[in-house]
Parts: sequence; structure tokens; C-alpha cells
Amino acid sequence: DGGITQSPKYLFRKEGQNVTLSCEQNLNHDAMYWYRQDPGQGLRLIYYSQIVNDFQKGDIAEGYSVSREKKESFPLTVTSAQKNPTAFYLCASGPSGGRYNEQFFGPGTRLTVL
Amino acid sequence: AQSVAQPEDQVNVAEGNPLTVKCTYSVSGNPYLFWYVQYPNRGLQFLLKYITGDNLVKGSYGFEAEFNKSQTSFHLKKPSALVSDSALYFCAVRETGTASKLTFGTGTRLQVTL
Repeated sequence: DGGITQSPKYLFRKEGQNVTLSCEQNLNHDAMYWYRQDPGQGLRLIYYSQIVNDFQKGDIAEGYSVSREKKESFPLTVTSAQKNPTAFYLCASGPSGGRYNEQFFGPGTRLTVL
Repeated sequence: AQSVAQPEDQVNVAEGNPLTVKCTYSVSGNPYLFWYVQYPNRGLQFLLKYITGDNLVKGSYGFEAEFNKSQTSFHLKKPSALVSDSALYFCAVRETGTASKLTFGTGTRLQVTL
């Protein structure tokens, strides 16, 4: 899983609560990404950031928010507006502008809404 | 818009036999193609990538992939499967000019049996 850490590994949330998932990288990568993984649907991009203090919506940003105040950190908040948040969340990083470069993934956080 | 298709949800193969996991893609420009592997409750690990040049790309753990532009395919192969290769495999594509976004297929589960 390289130099990317995600915490917690498992997270339980009551309906109506906001929760924040942590992602930290020590690879000196400019770009960071959040994906959601559901069975049979592959990975879907939630948000991505190519540089500090800037980020863009991915394909399924509704109900999520992010910040990028430091190069190393890209936390994801799952808000109460996200209707079906139970999923496996993966954070990734990579060199910015690096079309040729692969992304490196963290170990993931499994979120369950009770 | 770029897209990836993995037509098989699951591939079953006996240990020692060759394996193929299929992937086809759709892009409007030149494709950059990637294969990743995911073990249960873990992040994705990079296997190999095609950027340009030789159509046969060699990667980690004895895997290789063949790029076929006319068939828009990038199938993953291994001459002799191991039980430890059993995992979920994802194909991904990035299009020329696309910022840093990867589009993933839905994944193919490889089951290798003795």
C-alpha cells in the first residue's frame, strides 16, 4: 500500500451524522484522489486534487466534501446528505500532470451506516 | 468520454494453466492503460501499464498484458496461474489530455484452484 495511510480501517456511522475519513501520504505527490468502491461497480471517483488548496468534483461528489490544506493530507467528509454512504473508500495519490504515471492506493476505509 | 469494459465478472482457472483477464477500452485519443490487483479488504496494487511502444507489456508477479489498438483491448495474461493469484483485477484507462483522471472497469474476480 505504499506510503499512503487511511484511518480508521472500519467506521460506523449513525444516520444523520457527518464523518471524516483521513488520508495521508508521504510520497511527495501533488495529486490525491478519493474513490468509492461498491460490489460489482468498480471504483468511482468522488473528488480529486492536483495541488494544495484546489480540488475538483469527480463523478459522484454529491453528499461528500474535501479539503486540501496540506500537500500530505486530503480528508474526505461524508455528510448526512449522502443517501447511501455504506461502501469501501479508497484514497490514492500520484504525480500531478502525470498521464503516464500510475496512482498509488491506501488500504481503504470501510464505512457502515447503522 | 473514456470508458473501460471488463466483460467477465469471474474467471476460473486451474493452477498451472494460463490465464487471461479481458479488458476493452474506449477513448477519443491515445490511451494510457493500467492493470491493478486487489486482495480482500485491501487497496489496489499496480501491476503494469501501457503508455507507448511495444504492445506486450511485462509487469509484476509474472503478469503481462497485450495492447491491441485495432481491437481496443488490453488483456491481462499469465502463462502459469498460481492459487495466490486469486484476487480482484481492475483495468483502467486515462485518455490523452485528461487531467489525471483514471476510469476503472468494474473488475474481474480471478479464482485459481488446485
